[in-house]
Amino acid sequence: SQQGEEDPQALSIQEGENATMNCSYKTSINNLQWYRQNSGRGLVHLILIRSNEREKHSGRLRVTLDTSKKSSSLLITASRAADTASYFCATDANVWFGTSGSRLTFGEGTQLTVNP
Amino acid sequence: DGGITQSPKYLFRKEGQNVTLSCEQNLNHDAMYWYRQDPGQGLRLIYYSQIVNDFQKGDIAEGYSVSREKKESFPLTVTSAQKNPTAFYLCASSVYASGGYEQYFGPGTRLTVT
Repeated sequence: SQQGEEDPQALSIQEGENATMNCSYKTSINNLQWYRQNSGRGLVHLILIRSNEREKHSGRLRVTLDTSKKSSSLLITASRAADTASYFCATDANVWFGTSGSRLTFGEGTQLTVNP
Repeated sequence: DGGITQSPKYLFRKEGQNVTLSCEQNLNHDAMYWYRQDPGQGLRLIYYSQIVNDFQKGDIAEGYSVSREKKESFPLTVTSAQKNPTAFYLCASSVYASGGYEQYFGPGTRLTVT
């Protein structure tokens, strides 16, 4: 299995409902990030949660992190059709490049479809 | 897609030809990355660069080459040695924010080799 596995692989909901996606990983991490990718486009960073944080909010997004279970969840509240996209978790396992960057390992993503 | 541009959006090549994908950023970021994405899959790291004139292999570097002569530019060459080059290629750069390095992505180049 890969570091950063999302569950479910696909999720279909109605507009206004909440969407929850989960991510599991295997090694210790420095932080965990969530990204969104619209079809055929680049990824967009959504939120970063550090290993010493348990919950973080950004607008309609809520991310939790349980380092004891090596898992994270992304909750999108009051979903909209525009939220239709693939969502990826990415783990930073502290493989430092020095002071300019860090290596992320991406999961295979959850495809979210929000029906109008 | 932030300040990262990739060109072209679609690229078609015949087998046996080398092809170079462009990646330019105006974000003043030091680190840049190249990823490959296959249908329904996550991203796999090809090469990364921390600074000008320095780059390192990622997980799937075989059949690819890069250069980093300028901070703004990180072109990727897909050589004829890459056995299955048809894929979606994404370039990214990173910046430290909120306790970690966040990556900014370009719009991607879809390469088809026949």
